Amino acid sequence: QSVLTQPPSASGTPGQRVTISCSGSSSNIGSNTVNWYQQLPGTAPKLLIYRNNQRPSGVPDRFSGSKSGTSASLAISGLQSEDEADYYCAAWDDSLNGRVFGGGTKLTVL
Amino acid sequence: QVQLVQSGAEVKKPGASVKVSCKASGYTFTSYDINWVRQATGQGLEWMGWMNPNSGNTGYAQKFQGRVTITRNTSISTAYMELSSLRSEDTAVYYCARYYYDSSGHWGFDYWGQGTLVTVSS
Repeated sequence: QSVLTQPPSASGTPGQRVTISCSGSSSNIGSNTVNWYQQLPGTAPKLLIYRNNQRPSGVPDRFSGSKSGTSASLAISGLQSEDEADYYCAAWDDSLNGRVFGGGTKLTVL
Repeated sequence: QVQLVQSGAEVKKPGASVKVSCKASGYTFTSYDINWVRQATGQGLEWMGWMNPNSGNTGYAQKFQGRVTITRNTSISTAYMELSSLRSEDTAVYYCARYYYDSSGHWGFDYWGQGTLVTVSS
């Protein structure tokens, strides 16, 4: 049981917009910034979003993040086949004094 | 370019310990925390702990307290994660990751090692 809650799966067709939610609490998302990571099959995770809505250089602007209260979302617009991957949200948890991840969302491009 | 290169796969018996290394290059090793994250086959990411390579200060997830130790050797820019009292449930890929921050604040795990498969089997 993960501290941050994500839907286990999401899907969309090429060109569509998809959103992935991440629900937490006041001790994690509610009081700290959120990261999003993309993990392609067989590879290490890659930082996709930092500080809730910032993209590292090289990450397409099709990817965007947002946060409101104790929830966060990752939106992917103009869906492409190469976006098929697992996506994880993460945040620091003040109560646990540690970093927590969501359970991950497997994105399928139909 | 920044790189984190981990040691090779390990096979251990239940009750044994494993020590995984993570050699950093391309940046000043003591400037950014190193974290360890593991992933069992087909499962999600699980954070294990962090270390400040400059001070040696560490912090561990409650789940691993007493079983995990993160250390470093600054002369060779290498971090280590040792997990003891291994059980079959510890079979997973173990990653080291650099936690980056700048003057504007925190980023996250911007560079990851390639992962080390640890298999625990009798």
